[in-house]
Order: sequence, then C-alpha cells, then structure tokens
Amino acid sequence: DTQMTQSPSSLSASVGDRVTITCRASQSISNYLNWYQQKPGKAPELLIYAASSLQSGVPSRFSGSGSGTDFTLTINNLQPEDFATYYCQQSYSTPRTFGQGTKVEMK
Amino acid sequence: EVQLVETGGGLIQPGGSLRLSCIASGLTVSSNYMTWVRQAPGKGLEWVAVIYSGASTYYADSVNGRFTISRDNSKNTLYLQMNSLRAEDTAVYYCARDAKGERGNRGYYYYYMDVWGKGTTVTVSS
Repeated sequence: DTQMTQSPSSLSASVGDRVTITCRASQSISNYLNWYQQKPGKAPELLIYAASSLQSGVPSRFSGSGSGTDFTLTINNLQPEDFATYYCQQSYSTPRTFGQGTKVEMK
Repeated sequence: EVQLVETGGGLIQPGGSLRLSCIASGLTVSSNYMTWVRQAPGKGLEWVAVIYSGASTYYADSVNGRFTISRDNSKNTLYLQMNSLRAEDTAVYYCARDAKGERGNRGYYYYYMDVWGKGTTVTVSS
C-alpha cells in the first residue's frame, strides 16, 4: 500500500496569510493526487485533483503542485472560511489512501 | 441536483451486522465508481471500499473479509454490508462518487471524489 504523510499535522495562521501544506507518498504516484477540505461535522469537499487541477467552484487562492512523491497545497490570502482540516489522497493505486490530515487553525 | 444520502447507521453490539445504504439522485450508481470512506471520532479519513462500474470491488485490509460493497441498479443505491463488527469500526461512514477524469501521463485515468453524502454514524459498543 502507498502511505501518505502530511506535514505539518496542524498550523496556526491569520487571515491574509499564505499557507503551505505538504504531502509525501511512500512511492511514486506521478500526479495522481487529490486534496480535500473538511470542516467540523461536515463531509469532505474536493479542492484539487490531478495534483494541480482546481475543482469547479473552488476559489483560485487554492493551488496545488508536485509530482512523483512530493506535493504541496498552497492557500494564498487565507480567508476565515478556510480554517478547516485538509487531506491529501492518492488515486494511483488501490487502496486509495489518505494522508492523516492538516488542521489549519486561527492564530 | 446531484445528491447522495446515506442511511442505516446506528448502535450495534460487537460481532453484529449492519447494512448501510447510499441512495443516489442526479447520478447513476452503476455508471460510476462508488466509494465508502469512514472517519472514526476525532480521527482522519479512511478509505474503506470501492465498486467499479464494471462491478469489481476492492477493500481496505482493515475490513477485507468482513465488509461487502454492492449496488442495486434498479434502486440506484449503493450498499455496505458490515459483518463481525468491532469497536474500531465505530465511525461516520460516507459514500462518495469517484469521478473519472482524463487519462494521466501514466496511462491511468484520474479519479477523485467529487460528490459526497453527509454521512451516517455507526457505533459499535456493548
């Protein structure tokens, strides 16, 4: 199985900040990498697929990059509604494993 | 509107069985890859199982041999039959559509969960 490791596990940031979350795969997954946002008590929502493609309706302040084993989710100009937990997930092989999550909290 | 609604959760004793349903509207279950994902209290997301449009099924090691994913095309409904339940199966269970994107540079299609239900809670406890 492909293990996905996110860092950091949590971070504190302020509105307007730029936030970067990293995700590392235990083996190469090319760019078969998705990012999700989850708010408390809610289902996850897709942000980015294929490592860098923005899902329809997602604000352009979200961006993704990377290929192989190392990936990044960047949030520019952090907004109040962006405080949430973010998960990466690989879709290269089954089981389609998730990272452990990164909680973005208000500083 | 595309919508997934999970039902069937509840309190069940260890060793018991439960069947979750995911009723789809606005999408055809049999034409899509459909997935179950769960989240234990205070924990992260865990991929559980997938059923392909061709009916092949795959499971996480943690549930393989105990859970069965299936669908009823006439009811446009996805199921998760859960047997031999354990305390560690306690979680919110989400169904999701695993959308098919374009073919990537490794020759595989991109898949991503773009439609999710609100989840149903399963509690395994005596």
